[in-house]
Amino acid sequence: GAVVSQHPSRVICKSGTSVKIECRSLDFQATTMFWYRQFPKQSLMLMATSNEGSKATYEQGVEKDKFLINHASLTLSTLTVTSAHPEDSSFYICSATQGSGNTIYFGEGSWLTVV
Amino acid sequence: GENVEQHPSTLSVQEGDSAVIKCTYSDSASNYFPWYKQELGKGPQLIIDIRSNVGEKKDQRIAVTLNKTAKHFSLHITETQPEDSAVYFCAATFNDMRFGAGTRLTVKP
Repeated sequence: GAVVSQHPSRVICKSGTSVKIECRSLDFQATTMFWYRQFPKQSLMLMATSNEGSKATYEQGVEKDKFLINHASLTLSTLTVTSAHPEDSSFYICSATQGSGNTIYFGEGSWLTVV
Repeated sequence: GENVEQHPSTLSVQEGDSAVIKCTYSDSASNYFPWYKQELGKGPQLIIDIRSNVGEKKDQRIAVTLNKTAKHFSLHITETQPEDSAVYFCAATFNDMRFGAGTRLTVKP
């Protein structure tokens, strides 16, 4: 199957700093990428949908100035958590697809710990 | 927007038995229904999917059925094995993907 790579897999940052997570589709062109957040023992919560070359569409309640999403190419999307706080600590997962109705593949996720 | 409900939240079966997980969705425009298996600390892995023009799909011990009229779909795992133990998520999608709350499946040896 298709491969979506996420980096870093684990990151620890200090409160108040920013951290960037990358999501890459390795063997297909991803016109759309999704970013999710998952708390322990809970389901995946969609944060935003990004289409290549366009501004991301954020879900209600997700601060777009805090969670900056960039989808500059067909193989790369980034999520930057700005001015991170301990409550931002979570498991962040991306997924990618070639377009509506196509299979959606997930990355391995990134554990963010803000201390 | 789409709303996906998944039942049961936990399921425990004996090795060799079958397991069934059910999901309902609200948006009749949804046309793609994947199932994912997630192990602790890892991203979800696609295990099977079905599109709205198909009623049933099978892949070895795993099968998925879709009832578009009733807007529900189910995952069936036969001859369960301990390594099937994980959290399973259903999802429904048209332009974005909405997940069910997940089912924690435990297969007892």
